Amino acid sequence: GNSVTQMEGPVTLSEEAFLTINCTYTATGYPSLFWYVQYPGEGLQLLLKATKADDKGSNKGFEATYRKETTSFHLEKGSVQVSDSAVYFCALSDRHTNAGKSTFGDGTTLTVKP
Amino acid sequence: EPEVTQTPSHQVTQMGQEVILRCVPISNHLYFYWYRQILGQKVEFLVSFYNNEISEKSEIFDDQFSVERPDGSNFTLKIRSTKLEDSAMYFCASSEAREQYFGPGTRLTVT
Repeated sequence: GNSVTQMEGPVTLSEEAFLTINCTYTATGYPSLFWYVQYPGEGLQLLLKATKADDKGSNKGFEATYRKETTSFHLEKGSVQVSDSAVYFCALSDRHTNAGKSTFGDGTTLTVKP
Repeated sequence: EPEVTQTPSHQVTQMGQEVILRCVPISNHLYFYWYRQILGQKVEFLVSFYNNEISEKSEIFDDQFSVERPDGSNFTLKIRSTKLEDSAMYFCASSEAREQYFGPGTRLTVT
């Protein structure tokens, strides 16, 4: 079955530091890949997505590239802010099936200190 | 921008009681989903729904759970007899194709 593995957290960075959160996946079909962000006490917000190999998703300074050869979708940001403190989930959606359910990683908690 | 809505935002119930969580998906979407997130844990798939029937369900989705689309807009999750371990955040999602749009969630607390 499908699975997503994220780097373990929590991750604590100083403001303006470089962020990388690793994500690798296993899928039987041709998945779409997503990063979601969850701020404290809130729901899931789509941060960025990529639907095919070599696509780069980007939003709010965050980027991730769909690497089929390494089955990875690592999240990066060049300069984090305190407001980026949240839990980040990597997920895949298997477009091979119409149902297209999402499979999530465990989540990585990011804390950015001023 | 259209969005998925969920009610209530927080539901407190006693063990053994029935609860119904409600969702209004985005109007032109055809695929509907429920997920749950136990506090501090990962988001887990419960069930997907298409063309008025369940298309896939996880092992979590046992006989205590049911889903329904009673009219053209609502999508509900019913838990017949709640247990303490049902306490979680429940997210509804809808999809037109690959991308799923998530609602804000309902926090269910079973006491």
